[in-house]
Formats: sequence, C-alpha cells, structure tokens
Amino acid sequence: AQSVTQLDSQVPVFEEAPVELRCNYSSSVSVYLFWYVQYPNQGLQLLLKYLSGSTLVKGINGFEAEFNKSQTSFHLRKPSVHISDTAEYFCAVLNTGGFKTIFGAGTRLFVKA
Amino acid sequence: EAGVTQFPSHSVIEKGQTVTLRCDPISGHDNLYWYRRVMGKEIKFLLHFVKESKQDESGMPNNRFLAERTGGTYSTLKVQPAELEDSGVYFCASSPSGSLYGYTFGSGTRLTVV
Repeated sequence: AQSVTQLDSQVPVFEEAPVELRCNYSSSVSVYLFWYVQYPNQGLQLLLKYLSGSTLVKGINGFEAEFNKSQTSFHLRKPSVHISDTAEYFCAVLNTGGFKTIFGAGTRLFVKA
Repeated sequence: EAGVTQFPSHSVIEKGQTVTLRCDPISGHDNLYWYRRVMGKEIKFLLHFVKESKQDESGMPNNRFLAERTGGTYSTLKVQPAELEDSGVYFCASSPSGSLYGYTFGSGTRLTVV
C-alpha cells in the first residue's frame, strides 16, 4: 500500500520569498507523483506530475518539484511566491499499475505582503 | 470544455436523513472517482468507476453509502441514513483512459450532518 506524508500542515512566507513544501511517500512499487493546488472555494487543479525521465519537473505558475527516489521525496518549490499563491497544496501518489491516487493531508501556504 | 460539476455545493441535513450528491464528469472521461475529505485531513479515496462499472469501491466506509453511474455519464453518491461522522467535503474527479493524465476535480460538496 502507498502512503503520502506532507511534513508541514501550514507554511507562512513573505511575498517574493522562496518556498519549499515537503512531501514524502512510501510504496513497495514504482509510483507516479503529483502535486495539486486548491484555491479557496474551488476544486483541486493539477500543478505538475512526475511520470518518468528527468527528476526535475516544472509545472504551472512557476512551480517545480524534484523526485528523489532514494529519499522517497517529491518536494515542491517556487523561487519567489506571490500573494496569489496562497492556497492549499496536496501531494499525491499513484502506483504504476493502479488507478487509485493516494493524497496527503495538504499543506496550507500563506503568502504575506 | 465544461469541467467537472458537482451539486449541491453545500448540504446540511439532520442525522438519519438521506442525501444524494451528484457529479457530472467531463464528457468522454471514462474514469470517475469519488473522494472525501474530513476535517482538514487527507483526501480519502471512496470509489472508482470505469464507464458504468465499479472498478474499485474499497474506500466506501460502509453500506450506508451507495454510488451509481448511470449509462457511464453522471454519477450519484447517496448516503442513507446519514451519520454525524459523514460530514466532510465530497469531491468528484474524472480522467480520460488511465490516471496518468491526472484528475480534473469538481469543486466539491460540503456535507454537514447535524
């Protein structure tokens, strides 16, 4: 079975500062990895995904994530955040033979002026 | 392209009553998923349809929950009778063949059982 741990429930950061949202997963099989973002009163949107190939993946809105197989991590980063990045971010894992995506508990990012 | 539509957006019902949530996926998406998030915890899988067939319903909490997907189009999730612990946000998501594309989520239905 797979599981996802998002190490920070809330991350406050000042505008234009860099941010890293941490995600660790556990799985006995190969996985695909995803980050989703949920803005207030909206559904989740796919931010980026890692399927194979380069371990550094770029997504929308200037976000990127790096897959580290040895550390079973998939941390999300942005070099300079904006107020509009305030949202909740979910890390998710899907085993390569399956259909059921497993989500973490979410990290609330608060960007302050 | 219309997105995934869920309604109602909010529902407040009394314990013991019945509630039916509806999800209209993106047209042509064979895969439809129901998830639930309770009190800021992780988003938990409930079940997965491929067209009109239940592919995996291992996440359904108990037999008070019944999901259907008529003709492989929209889906309903009925809770009967509702209990206090059923409160949460119910998300529906759809995807084309396979899950590698990621899901398109609806905005969710916030269910409050009082």
